[in-house]
Amino acid sequence: DGGITQSPKYLFRKEGQNVTLSCEQNLNHDAMYWYRQDPGQGLRLIYYSQIVNDFQKGDIAEGYSVSREKKESFPLTVTSAQKNPTAFYLCASSIRDNPYEQYFGPGTRLTVT
Amino acid sequence: AQTVTQSQPEMSVQEAETVTLSCTYDTSESDYYLFWYKQPPSRQMILVIRQEAYKQQNATENRFSVNFQKAAKSFSLKISDSQLGDAAMYFCAYRTIHGSSNTGKLIFGQGTTLQVKP
Repeated sequence: DGGITQSPKYLFRKEGQNVTLSCEQNLNHDAMYWYRQDPGQGLRLIYYSQIVNDFQKGDIAEGYSVSREKKESFPLTVTSAQKNPTAFYLCASSIRDNPYEQYFGPGTRLTVT
Repeated sequence: AQTVTQSQPEMSVQEAETVTLSCTYDTSESDYYLFWYKQPPSRQMILVIRQEAYKQQNATENRFSVNFQKAAKSFSLKISDSQLGDAAMYFCAYRTIHGSSNTGKLIFGQGTTLQVKP
């Protein structure tokens, strides 16, 4: 089955540690996105990538980093510089220049204590 | 910059009744796309319906329809014959389609939690 996988579903880390969230898609989509979801604020874009080896900052990129070495994979690293990392993180992908739909993964809930 | 506003944090509807969720947006662009996404308790985002701004006809998908008022920058979602499975958080989203801003990113509203009462 084609789709987007995010692992793990729940992730716990101590403050000061970097953590990497996985996002893999087998839809052959060019574009991939990372969103952060907080209560009462909807989804906000962290980073996006439209082709391999290229990515751009979204609206709230500070404290995050990404890589796009393969078309299928777009991992997100939450660094210790991110002041409020506890949130729900959603990965999405789409056909480049297709305006109609972004496909979302199941999300990862990150808790930092 | 574009913004999307959902002014109803929570709504409730009786099963089999009709409910309308509101969404307004702000943009200086003339061509764009609007979407409604559903997020059930599983938190999986599901596309419900989309509307192209250049189309005057309101989009419909089975029990879901929109009232798109371009001049008023309003994009409401009507759910007819509500079912228990419709209970979820609903997000309105905007997408630019032209020029250097055509990154594919979605701009989301804050969400409306819909409760369906049996």
